Amino acid sequence: NAGVTQTPKFQVLKTGQSMTLQCAQDMNHEYMSWYRQDPGMGLRLIHYSVGAGITDQGEVPNGYNVSRSTTEDFPLRLLSAAPSQTSVYFCASSYTSGRVYEQYFGPGTRLTVT
Amino acid sequence: AQSVTQLGSHVSVSEGALVLLRCNYSSSVPPYLFWYVQYPNQGLQLLLKYTTGATLVKGINGFEAEFKKSETSFHLTKPSAHMSDAAEYFCAVSDQSGNTPLVFGKGTRLSVIA
Repeated sequence: NAGVTQTPKFQVLKTGQSMTLQCAQDMNHEYMSWYRQDPGMGLRLIHYSVGAGITDQGEVPNGYNVSRSTTEDFPLRLLSAAPSQTSVYFCASSYTSGRVYEQYFGPGTRLTVT
Repeated sequence: AQSVTQLGSHVSVSEGALVLLRCNYSSSVPPYLFWYVQYPNQGLQLLLKYTTGATLVKGINGFEAEFKKSETSFHLTKPSAHMSDAAEYFCAVSDQSGNTPLVFGKGTRLSVIA
């Protein structure tokens, strides 16, 4: 049981390049989400998914695309990277049943756009 | 919509002194409440959470928090600070459906002075 995994751990992009941040979980959680963390801003929600085939926008979705074709994977795509997307990205998955609520975070991807 | 306000972006305490990190939330429905800690260059670690039941919640590393519905607060405390407590702390809220993503505060950086 690996929990939530993210790849890569570090990435440097040039402005205009595209890339996909990978996120996978092996806990069969329906709910997954992407956050970005910037100094003094806390974690802000980019996109989330309540199940395979269902995604929705969060607080800061512009410049990012997501899809959820399987329960396990929730990749985040940057179509044309901008310096403003320099950040640390965290993926999370969660489970709820009755009064039980569990959320797990990945280790993060540190992205620099030059 | 839910929101979280953490009072004080930076708190400094002496080693052995009381730690008090403030969190107020806004939610139109009964909330789930969380505190996370992030050590430098690391991911998020769950300190404690309130979902239901006892309003005083004990977490790891000697931290505890009390859910006060009348004050819409969930302040984090520790009786005696240790140097190893120096980190950034995030308060977060979700609703009890479990189908809405966590909303985070902007974080409070705790410094511990010897």
